[in-house]
Amino acid sequence: AQSVTQLGSHVSVSEGALVLLRCNYSSSVPPYLFWYVQYPNQGLQLLLKYTTGATLVKGINGFEAEFKKSETSFHLTKPSAHMSDAAEYFCAVSDLLVYKLSFGAGTTVTVRA
Amino acid sequence: GAVVSQHPSRVICKSGTSVKIECRSLDFQATTMFWYRQFPKQSLMLMATSNEGSKATYEQGVEKDKFLINHASLTLSTLTVTSAHPEDSSFYICSARALPSTDTQYFGPGTRLTVL
Repeated sequence: AQSVTQLGSHVSVSEGALVLLRCNYSSSVPPYLFWYVQYPNQGLQLLLKYTTGATLVKGINGFEAEFKKSETSFHLTKPSAHMSDAAEYFCAVSDLLVYKLSFGAGTTVTVRA
Repeated sequence: GAVVSQHPSRVICKSGTSVKIECRSLDFQATTMFWYRQFPKQSLMLMATSNEGSKATYEQGVEKDKFLINHASLTLSTLTVTSAHPEDSSFYICSARALPSTDTQYFGPGTRLTVL
């Protein structure tokens, strides 16, 4: 079974500062890992994903994440926060049979002017 | 590409009535669709997985007779909440996975259901 833990339910950053969202996973097989973003009253938008290959994954809107097997982590970063980054962020792990996603509890990001 | 739509975006109904929510993949064929439920300030909870032309697989604790799922074509899945009650009020989100070679789910915009 797979599971995801997101450390920190709420992160507040200043505009222009580094955004760091933490995600640790548990999986009995090599995982597929995803970060999604959700704006209020909307569905989820894929930011980036890791399946195989390069462990540093670049996504949309300047986000990137690094898969670290030894630490079972997939933390999301963005060097410089923008006001438009204020949203809910979900880390998820997928099984490899039917690709069911298991989501973390989510992290709310607020950006201070 | 990979756009998923849901209809309606919001629905308000009276207790005891049934509500149907549609999920469509607009520019790809979805062999598998997923239905999630999300309570305020919480994560997504998977309700069921549906494959085109076969019965849906429900997660533990989800009443299949209450939440009827039909996946009649490669671009359409429907969720019907039967005999809705106020506790069914929630945000329902669908997602779609393309043909088996794709590992990514694409999400619809969600449907806000309010049962009075």
